[in-house]
Amino acid sequence: GQQLNQSPQSMFIQEGEDVSMNCTSSSIFNTWLWYKQDPGEGPVLLIALYKAGELTSNGRLTAQFGITRKDSFLNISASIPSDVGIYFCAGPPRQIQGAQKLVFGQGTRLTINP
Amino acid sequence: DSGVTQTPKHLITATGQRVTLRCSPRSGDLSVYWYQQSLDQGLQFLIQYYNGEERAKGNILERFSAQQFPDLHSELNLSSLELGDSALYFCASSQNTGELFFGEGSRLTVL
Repeated sequence: GQQLNQSPQSMFIQEGEDVSMNCTSSSIFNTWLWYKQDPGEGPVLLIALYKAGELTSNGRLTAQFGITRKDSFLNISASIPSDVGIYFCAGPPRQIQGAQKLVFGQGTRLTINP
Repeated sequence: DSGVTQTPKHLITATGQRVTLRCSPRSGDLSVYWYQQSLDQGLQFLIQYYNGEERAKGNILERFSAQQFPDLHSELNLSSLELGDSALYFCASSQNTGELFFGEGSRLTVL
């Protein structure tokens, strides 16, 4: 089935550092979504991208939809302790009205040393 | 608060038993999705309903079934439970924009 390859799997950084993670697919996606999951909670949508080449920011977060439509990256600037968590990329491999399951990457686990 | 409500938050049961997980979507959302997340794993898509009808199916076991009711809430039924079914089960809803909003999950422990 459709798979998203997310890297790195884990990151250990110092507070204040910038973070970059990416997601690739073997097939074209029309939408890229980035979620964050805190321990024991549900994923929360951070950024949604709908157009190839689109660059979108949400505070210290910036994400881009790759022009090939097969990749996306997420950057976090000046990391703070509350950025700790697991970041997932996701996308619908096929978009038909009413049928929009999302497939998720394996996640990037971010750990921040104060 | 995503607006998606899941109950129960925690459930402990024995092998061979059957449980029902419940989800109330965000107001106005017609689509409901169920995902399974095992320990330190990613999110595995189980099934999607749109306005009461099944629309997409993932790797859902035959022992599992779901439905969406006229008021749009959904239930996921897990039967003949096995130890490996222990996981977090998430419900999500959407307005068909591609953006899913997740509940806080139901943590199932099978002993």
